[in-house]
Order: sequence, then C-alpha cells, then structure tokens
Amino acid sequence: QKEVEQDPGPLSVPEGAIVSLNCTYSNSAFQYFMWYRQYSRKGPELLMYTYSSGNKEDGRFTAQVDKSSKYISLFIRDSQPSDSATYLCAMSGNQGGKLIFGQGTELSVKP
Amino acid sequence: DTGVSQDPRHKITKRGQNVTFRCDPISEHNRLYWYRQTLGQGPEFLTYFQNEAQLEKSRLLSDRFSAERPKGSFSTLEIQRTEQGDSAMYLCASSLSYGDSINIQYFGAGTRLSVL
Repeated sequence: QKEVEQDPGPLSVPEGAIVSLNCTYSNSAFQYFMWYRQYSRKGPELLMYTYSSGNKEDGRFTAQVDKSSKYISLFIRDSQPSDSATYLCAMSGNQGGKLIFGQGTELSVKP
Repeated sequence: DTGVSQDPRHKITKRGQNVTFRCDPISEHNRLYWYRQTLGQGPEFLTYFQNEAQLEKSRLLSDRFSAERPKGSFSTLEIQRTEQGDSAMYLCASSLSYGDSINIQYFGAGTRLSVL
C-alpha cells in the first residue's frame, strides 16, 4: 500500500463547477500538506501549503486537512478551463524534508 | 530570479550509455532535491542536499545513480549504464531552509529521459 493515495481520475467538470480533490495517507508523522498543480510537460507549481489540521483559503482555492482521519482535500470554486491540469497532493513529516506525492488527479474543465 | 533551471530538457540515449543532467537552483536556496516522475504517477523522491552535503538518499537511487552538488550551487545527476526502466521525467526542486520558516520547494520543468 502506498503512503499517499489519490484518485487518478480523470475528472471532467463544466466551467463554473465546484471541484473536490482528495487524498488519504497512512503515515501519522506527516505534518505539512501541500497541493501542487502540474500542466502537461511542466514542473509542479505550489498552490496551497497547510501545517497540521485545519482549513486554508486562497481566492477560489480551499485546502482542508483532517489529521484524525488522515484525509486532505482541495476545493476549487468557480472552476475555469485554465484550471485544467493534474493536481498533486504532497506531504512531509518535517520542514524542508522530502515530499511524498500522491499519484495526481487529472482535471478537465470544459467551457 | 529565473526559477529552477534544468538542462537538457530532453535526452534520448541508448541502453547502456551514461547520461548526466544539470540543475541550477534559485539563487541563495540552500536545499536542492531530485525527484523522478513516470507517466501517470506523482514525483518520487530520489535525494536531497543542504548546501553541498547530501542529507538523504532514497532506496530508489541504485548504485548506478550518483548526485553531486559541488560548492552548494548547481547539482548534477548521473545515471550510468542506463536501462529502459530509467525512462522518466527527472525533476529538480530547490528551497530556502532556515529556522522555523515555511520551506517551499520550487520545481524546475524537468529533464525527460528516453532510453531506447
């Protein structure tokens, strides 16, 4: 079993929809949780960064962490075609250490 | 600040050949990471450096792989006697680590390796 599980999709939604992306993990030592977005043939770029449990909002993006359930989510409101990309969750047990990534979820937002 | 730079962007080689990739981190970033990503998968950690010291290596990093970061600036990743299973995207990331500050890893565009 992988340390981080993420539904690979693909996920297709109409423009303006609310998108929910999720990851589960097994290592209780993880404390730092990130969401990266990766466009085709590009490197991942950081979207959201959360320490421990709780919610964090940045514009149309909301990240949630539930450490008791070992479950993290990313919500995208008012989705746009430009949001079409692969979304990767990533976690770490310590600041500046290696990141453990999920498989990535491929999202397509149709106009 | 031009971001993390990787060279070459693409490399095609024959099985058994040696290849070397270069990564130039964001200036003044003291940590540098290497990851490998295959199609449809998330990046997998290979190794990372703080300045010139290699702090951690993954079990994925067989003895055919070697990474260096002389003088704590750019880094090279060499693969000897390449195998078809080495075909992947090799990603480099860098970060600034000090005290309790948030440590964000910024990724380059990657080097895509194809072993024929």
